[in-house]
Amino acid sequence: AIQMTQSPSSLSASVGDRVTITCRASQGIRNDLGWYQQKPGKAPKLLIYAASSLQSGVPSRFSGSGSGTDFTLTISSLQPEDFATYYCLQDYNYRTWTFGQGTKVEIK
Amino acid sequence: QLQLQESGPGLVKPSETLSLTCTVSGGSISSSSYYWGWIRQPPGKGLEWIGSIYYSGSTYYNPSLKSRVTISVDTSKNQFSLKLSSVTAADTAVYYCARHSGQYEDWGQGTLVTVSS
Repeated sequence: AIQMTQSPSSLSASVGDRVTITCRASQGIRNDLGWYQQKPGKAPKLLIYAASSLQSGVPSRFSGSGSGTDFTLTISSLQPEDFATYYCLQDYNYRTWTFGQGTKVEIK
Repeated sequence: QLQLQESGPGLVKPSETLSLTCTVSGGSISSSSYYWGWIRQPPGKGLEWIGSIYYSGSTYYNPSLKSRVTISVDTSKNQFSLKLSSVTAADTAVYYCARHSGQYEDWGQGTLVTVSS
C-alpha cells in the first residue's frame, strides 16, 4: 500500500506569512494528489487536485506543486480563515486512497 | 447542488455491527464515472479512507478494514450504506460519506458513532 508522509505535523505562523506543507509518497504517484483543508467540526474541503490544479472557488493564494513522490502545498499570504488542518490524499491507482497524517496550522 | 447526508445509530455496542446510510440528493447515485465512499476520523485524529463503491457496483476497501467492511448501494432510494462488523472502541469516530472521482469533491457533514457498552 502507498504510504503518505506529511510534514510538519503542526506549525505556527502569522497572518501574511508564506506557509509550505510537504507530502511525500512511498512510491511514485505521478501527479495523482490532492490537498484538503479541514476546520474543527467540519468536513474536509478540496483545495487542490492533480497536484497543482485549483478547485473552483478556492482563493488563488493556495497553490500546489510536485510530481512523483514529493508534493507541496503553499499558502502565499496566510489569512485568518486559513488556520485549519491540511491533509494530502493520493488517488494514484483508483483502488485504494491514502491520506497524509495532517498538518495543523496555528496562530503564532 | 449535490448534497449527502449520513444517518444511523450514534451508539453501537462492542462486537456488534455499525450500520450507516448516506442519502444523496441533487444528483443520481447511478451517475457514471463517480465513486461513493466512506471516510472516518477518530476524535482528535486524522482521516482514514474506509472504502468506496463505483457506480457500476464494484467495491474497494481499505486493506486494514477489509475483513469487516461491506459497502452497498440502493439505486431505488439514491442511497449507499456502510456496515462495519465486530466493532471495538477503536472504531469510535466521525464517519463521512462522499462522492469522488479521483479526489473527494463532495462530502456529507459527518456523523459521530461511539462504540461503548
